Amino acid sequence: QSVLTQPPSASGTPGQRVTISCSGSSSNIGTNTVTWYQRLPGTAPKLLIFHDNQRPSGVPDRFSGSKSGTSASLAISGLQSEDEADYYCAAWDDSLNGHVVFGGGTKVTVL
Amino acid sequence: QVQLQESGPGLVKPSETLSLTCTVSGGSINTNNYYWTWIRQSPGQGLEWIGSVYYSGNTYYHPSLRSRVTMSIDTSKNQFSLTLTSVTAADTAVYYCAGGYSRVSAYWGQGTLVTVSS
Repeated sequence: QSVLTQPPSASGTPGQRVTISCSGSSSNIGTNTVTWYQRLPGTAPKLLIFHDNQRPSGVPDRFSGSKSGTSASLAISGLQSEDEADYYCAAWDDSLNGHVVFGGGTKVTVL
Repeated sequence: QVQLQESGPGLVKPSETLSLTCTVSGGSINTNNYYWTWIRQSPGQGLEWIGSVYYSGNTYYHPSLRSRVTMSIDTSKNQFSLTLTSVTAADTAVYYCAGGYSRVSAYWGQGTLVTVSS
């Protein structure tokens, strides 16, 4: 059972917009920034979004992050076949002397 | 470009100690405000944060693993390491080392599979 709650799956056709939610609490998302990672099949995770809504260089601007209260979202606009991957949200949690918590991951399928 | 590479045994016996090393290249491990992190993924499961070691040596561990985990940093070798004691089959996973500024893991190793089995 992950501390951050994500839907297990999401899907869309090429060109559509897909949104993934990440629900937490006051000790994690409510207080600290959210990071999103993308894990393509057979590869290591890759940083996608940091500090709630910042994209590292090289990440297409069709990926965007947002946060409100104790929930965050990742949006993929103009879905492409290469976006088929697992997406994980993460945040620092201030409880229990502090630690990082992850969501359970969302498998995005491009139909 | 910073690159990370995990190394260590791929097979560990139950009750023994798992030891992994991550070698950092293309940058200094002794970089201000950088955290060096171990994350694992068990078969069919999601990502699990094991812990982080700050560039200065301070450590932060997952509450459920705190009694079994030790992380350290060796600036002379540009490496950081993980030891996990008293392993069981539940510790079988792909172990990733990662690092970056202010707890954001921007750089990742390719991952190494560690199987706990007799």
